[in-house]
Amino acid sequence: DVKVTQSSRYLVKRTGEKVFLECVQDMDHENMFWYRQDPGLGLRLIYFSYDVKMKEKGDIPEGYSVSREKKERFSLILESASTNQTSMYLCASSLSSGQGYGYTFGSGTRLTVV
Amino acid sequence: GEDVEQSLFLSVREGDSSVINCTYTDSSSTYLYWYKQEPGAGLQLLTYIFSNMDMKQDQRLTVLLNKKDKHLSLRIADTQTGDSAIYFCAESKWNFNKFYFGSGTKLNVKP
Repeated sequence: DVKVTQSSRYLVKRTGEKVFLECVQDMDHENMFWYRQDPGLGLRLIYFSYDVKMKEKGDIPEGYSVSREKKERFSLILESASTNQTSMYLCASSLSSGQGYGYTFGSGTRLTVV
Repeated sequence: GEDVEQSLFLSVREGDSSVINCTYTDSSSTYLYWYKQEPGAGLQLLTYIFSNMDMKQDQRLTVLLNKKDKHLSLRIADTQTGDSAIYFCAESKWNFNKFYFGSGTKLNVKP
C-alpha cells in the first residue's frame, strides 16, 4: 500500500525552539507539499516542491523553511517556533501528471508550541 | 488567490441523503476533488471530476458540477454513521501541482 509517512503524530515544543517535521513518501512522486490545517480556515499551503532541491513558497511561508535533499523526503522547519504555529501539519505528495489522482496525504502531525 | 468556499456544518439522519456544497472562483480549474478526513487522520481522496463533465457517480457518491455557476456538490446516498467526517472540496489547474482547498464541511450523521 502506498504511503506518505509523517514521523510524529503529536509534538510539544517550546517557544523559540527549532522544530523539524519530517515527511517520507514511497510512491516516487515528484511533488511534495506542506499544509497547515486550522479550524474554520481549512488547509493552507506553506511550501511545496516539484523536484529534489527545488522549493516554492505557498500562501503562508512566513516563519517556515523546507528542505528536499532526496526525492522521497520533504522536511518542514520552524526556525523559531511561536505559539501561533500551534496547528495540525499535513504533508502530501502527487505525481506531476496528476490526471485526477490527486494528492496522497500523511496522517498529520499535531504540533503544540508552549 | 483562488477561493473555494463551503459551509462549515451539515447534520443528517442515518439513511437520509447528504448534500455537501462547494463554490469556487477560478474558471480555469481543471479537476475538482472531494476529500474525506476522519478524526485524527489525514485526508483521503473520495472522488474527482474533470471540468468538462457535469456528473460522476461512484456507488453511493454522486458529484455534480455546474461550471457556469462554479458550483460543485457531493451527494452521499443512504448516509451511514461511518460517513461522519470532514469533507473538503479542492480544485487544481492543468498542471496539477497546486491544489486549493475549501475550509471543510463537518458532516454529523445522527443514528
